Amino acid sequence: DQQVKQNSPSLSVQEGRISILNCDYTNSMFDYFLWYKKYPAEGPTFLISISSIKDKNEDGRFTVFLNKSAKHLSLHIVPSQPGDSAVYFCAASGRAGSYQLTFGKGTKLSVIP
Amino acid sequence: DAMVIQNPRYQVTQFGKPVTLSCSQTLNHNVMYWYQQKSSQAPKLLFHYYDKDFNNEADTPDNFQSRRPNTSFCFLDIRSPGLGDAAMYLCATSATSGAYNEQFFGPGTRLTVL
Repeated sequence: DQQVKQNSPSLSVQEGRISILNCDYTNSMFDYFLWYKKYPAEGPTFLISISSIKDKNEDGRFTVFLNKSAKHLSLHIVPSQPGDSAVYFCAASGRAGSYQLTFGKGTKLSVIP
Repeated sequence: DAMVIQNPRYQVTQFGKPVTLSCSQTLNHNVMYWYQQKSSQAPKLLFHYYDKDFNNEADTPDNFQSRRPNTSFCFLDIRSPGLGDAAMYLCATSATSGAYNEQFFGPGTRLTVL
């Protein structure tokens, strides 16, 4: 049973607009969440993370929002750029120092010039 | 640049013929991981090493083994590959000095089983 779900396999957005990628989780023991970005023929690269004690973390054009009561997080990219076109994975960790990440299946983002 | 390197990038093997995938890192991280990722699926953790301490996931088949001879290198051995083992294999590392688990990934090895 999937504990981290990304229900949208793909998303297309116009350049300059906002991209919103969503992620839901079922395990209430998760307390740290990460987003990874993956280009074809490359490994996933870390993008941004958030601890469960926060509800928002921002890094430049990227913002992650966490709604613990809904067990939902989202990644906002503003403004979207063609170079953002990639597969985005949501991942969750059970506790500080835990060595296991549970990944979602990913959402393929296409930013159209 | 510090990085995670995987060789080969593409590996073709025959059904039942043992194959070894390799991973090396220059990050000096003490935790190393092997993931299996099939098309349109989430990366699935097979096992990880904390230094030399091997940790196998409960549902990892016995067909998959791993070796870590030193901090820098880690190997994935598939003893008798089946058609269902065709996948992308990702190696990752992390440090234990931080409070949370940011993992750094290599580019992956795509395994084809004929």
